[in-house]
Amino acid sequence: QVQLVQSGAEVKKPGTSVKVSCKTSGYTFRSFAISWVRQAPGQGLEWVGWISGENGNTKYAENLRDRVTLTVDTPTSTAFMELRSLRSDDSAVYFCSRIEDLTYHYASGTWFDPWGQGTLVIVSS
Amino acid sequence: QAVLTQPPSVSGAPGQRVTISCAGNSSNIGAGFDVHWYQQLPGTAPKLLIYDNISRPSGVPGRFSGSKSGTSASLAITGLQAEDEADYYCQSFDTSLRGVFGSGTKVTVL
Repeated sequence: QVQLVQSGAEVKKPGTSVKVSCKTSGYTFRSFAISWVRQAPGQGLEWVGWISGENGNTKYAENLRDRVTLTVDTPTSTAFMELRSLRSDDSAVYFCSRIEDLTYHYASGTWFDPWGQGTLVIVSS
Repeated sequence: QAVLTQPPSVSGAPGQRVTISCAGNSSNIGAGFDVHWYQQLPGTAPKLLIYDNISRPSGVPGRFSGSKSGTSASLAITGLQAEDEADYYCQSFDTSLRGVFGSGTKVTVL
């Protein structure tokens, strides 16, 4: 079955960076994209970005595009999200999810399924 | 601030029918992008409930149904059960191919 397993919780100081991994299995990595979503404590879901598993094409949320970078390592079927210049309001659970590759399937969008278990990132001095 | 607008909460007695609205605009839902729905239980990752406006993944009970019209969509739960108490989110994309989520709705079973 399709599985996404994320790296463990992180505690970071303001101004530093964090890199979260999302290891996938059970499907052909290059045939799909990976999207990232975050959820601050007690808040709703916020879309972060997506990256193609085939060609590395990316799309980022406008409010994060200067600080976030999504990458993939195709040989290990793993996706990564790096967020720089961390602030306290970046404290959240970060989820990865598989989506259709919007490089090709862009007409009507796509859904997020399945999801990783989430990675808690705490930013505190 | 979420792009898609949902009511903060809805409630109903067991067995009743509740609906959750999801309002977008001409840059997302109204531009022809499909709407998808997720259920999130406390402390867990969201779970896909409805995809492509009306379709249910395997294993999702038939009491969950979706619809879409114009710039909005709705999720209906008929025959409400205690286990349906959770947060529900709608999701779509915009014309820049950026994902958009609803503000979330907490369903309470009275």
